[in-house]
Formats: sequence, C-alpha cells, structure tokens
Amino acid sequence: DAGVTQSPTHLIKTRGQQVTLRCSPISGHKSVSWYQQVLGQGPQFIFQYYEKEERGRGNFPDRFSARQFPNYSSELNVNALLLGDSALYLCASSRGDRGLSGETQYFGPGTRLLVL
Amino acid sequence: AQRVTQPEKLLSVFKGAPVELKCNYSYSGSPELFWYVQYSRQRLQLLLRHISRESIKGFTADLNKGETSFHLKKPFAQEEDSAMYYCALRVGFGNEKLTFGTGTRLTIIP
Repeated sequence: DAGVTQSPTHLIKTRGQQVTLRCSPISGHKSVSWYQQVLGQGPQFIFQYYEKEERGRGNFPDRFSARQFPNYSSELNVNALLLGDSALYLCASSRGDRGLSGETQYFGPGTRLLVL
Repeated sequence: AQRVTQPEKLLSVFKGAPVELKCNYSYSGSPELFWYVQYSRQRLQLLLRHISRESIKGFTADLNKGETSFHLKKPFAQEEDSAMYYCALRVGFGNEKLTFGTGTRLTIIP
C-alpha cells in the first residue's frame, strides 16, 4: 500500500481563485481528516469525514468545504483564496472505528499551496 | 478549548546525551496525548501515544495529569533522532481531531 496519497503536490493560485485538493486514504480506512499547516506552526484541524458524513469541523471560514466519496477518497475545496491560505494541506486517514484504544491517523505527504 | 504548548522551537543535543522535549497541555478532562515526528523529507508519522505506554526508538513519554505534561524523553540521543517533533492531543470519542503544538526541531550534534 502506498499509504495516504494527495494530489497535486504543489499548486500556485492567485487571490480570489478557487482550489480543489484531493486525498486517497489507505485501503480499508473510512475516515479522512484535513489539516492546514502554516509555515512555523503545527497542523491545524479543518475537517473530518467518516462514511461520507462530516464528523468534525475546525475553526475555519465557510470558504473551506470538503466532501468524501463512496470510495472514501476526499476533496478539500477553498473558495475566494486569500494570501493567508498559503500553507501545506495535510490529509490523514484512519479506520475510523474508534474504540477505547483510539485510532492511529496516517498522514499523507501534503499539498503545498501558494497564493499570490 | 484545548491547547498544546511546546516551549522550545529549537533544541540541540550532543550524541549520546539525554533528550527531553517538553509538552504541556490545557484541558480539564482526560485527553489522549501523542507524539508525532517528521524526519527530513518524510511525512508526519506517529511516534508514540500515552495509551499504549510503549517505548519506540528508545523514546518514552509519561502523561502527568497533575502537571498537565507529556514530555518526550530518550536517555541517549542518536544522530537519526534529528527531526521535527510535534505533541498532539485528542479529546472525546467519535472524532479524530488532533490539536497540535507548534513543534520542536531537534538537532543531534555528532
């Protein structure tokens, strides 16, 4: 298994444009989470999807949206891009069957977005 | 809201010396605590979590609820330990949201 994959690896956009980032989870994983990592900071939670339903949302504006498909892959969409949206966007997957022992999240390599 | 603090952005340690990376958290309940590591040109990966109470690559971390800390320790640093380390917290059941600290870049001096 190649692990969590993300596309594209790099992206350059201008202010006001829209962008779609893609994530394919590890085979058998039903939960996908998205994080934004600004330079010099830790990852910040944006969304979690499980079985195509939104299970969690971080403190991000409505310009950010996501969805999960029947094959458990996911897209993150950002509208009306701002300079401050420049960051590394990470996707993480897990089985999603949380028990008392918790679930390990496996991260993808990220998509680096630059907004000019 | 929960918060994770890693007070050191940079930490340099000589090879063979002990390592301690500090992590403090704020949360009134019982969180799950994790350490994630990112080696150069690799993706973020789980190093250890307090629930499993295991030692990975010689690293250990003990959850101290009284001091709300989860410091990462290793008795003898190795050059391959040089990496970016993130402490993270998760609360509640049914969600996967991790709250990360700002990270500590550990450099092992040969």
